[in-house]
Amino acid sequence: QQQVKQSPQSLIVQKGGISIINCAYENTAFDYFPWYQQFPGKGPALLIAIRPDVSEKKEGRFTISFNKSAKQFSLHIMDSQPGDSATYFCAARRSGYALNFGKGTSLLVTP
Amino acid sequence: EAGVVQSPRYKIIEKKQPVAFWCNPISGHNTLYWYRQNLGQGPELLIRYENEEAVDDSQLPKDRFSAERLKGVDSTLKIQPAELGDSAVYLCASSLDGSGNTIYFGEGSWLTVV
Repeated sequence: QQQVKQSPQSLIVQKGGISIINCAYENTAFDYFPWYQQFPGKGPALLIAIRPDVSEKKEGRFTISFNKSAKQFSLHIMDSQPGDSATYFCAARRSGYALNFGKGTSLLVTP
Repeated sequence: EAGVVQSPRYKIIEKKQPVAFWCNPISGHNTLYWYRQNLGQGPELLIRYENEEAVDDSQLPKDRFSAERLKGVDSTLKIQPAELGDSAVYLCASSLDGSGNTIYFGEGSWLTVV
């Protein structure tokens, strides 16, 4: 059973544009929501994470928006760059348990 | 500081053969995870260790997969015998503990079963 549903599966954005990736979850016990970035041939690397007591977190060009009532969260990449081209995974976990990952979004930023 | 180290990076074996993957977590990290990532999919947990104890192995196919973490540091994941469907990337990860700290992944061991 997929505990975290991610969309879209793939995304093409022009350089300078905004990339938006969405995730939804069902388990209200989840209390930690990270986004991971994965380049080909590499392991996933933590990009940014949020806990449900805040609605938004920003780090540089990356922002997580969190809607607890809708059980949804999203990643916004502002001023997208070709170097951002990678696969992005949302995840969720309950304290003391392992991460549950979405299926991933393949992002391509065109020059 | 060294990250999570895995070996081998790549392995091609024939079906029914055994294979083993090794992981050295970040120094001081008590929690170790093995995930499997199929092509085009997100990682899925196989097993989680707290020190040397396997605290979640519910998704580990125990008929052919085994893992160990002797002395609570390095870990080995074994598949015997391998099947075609086992072709995937096997990711090792570690964190300070299981309470929500950042999880760091290794670069993975890419397995192809032919």
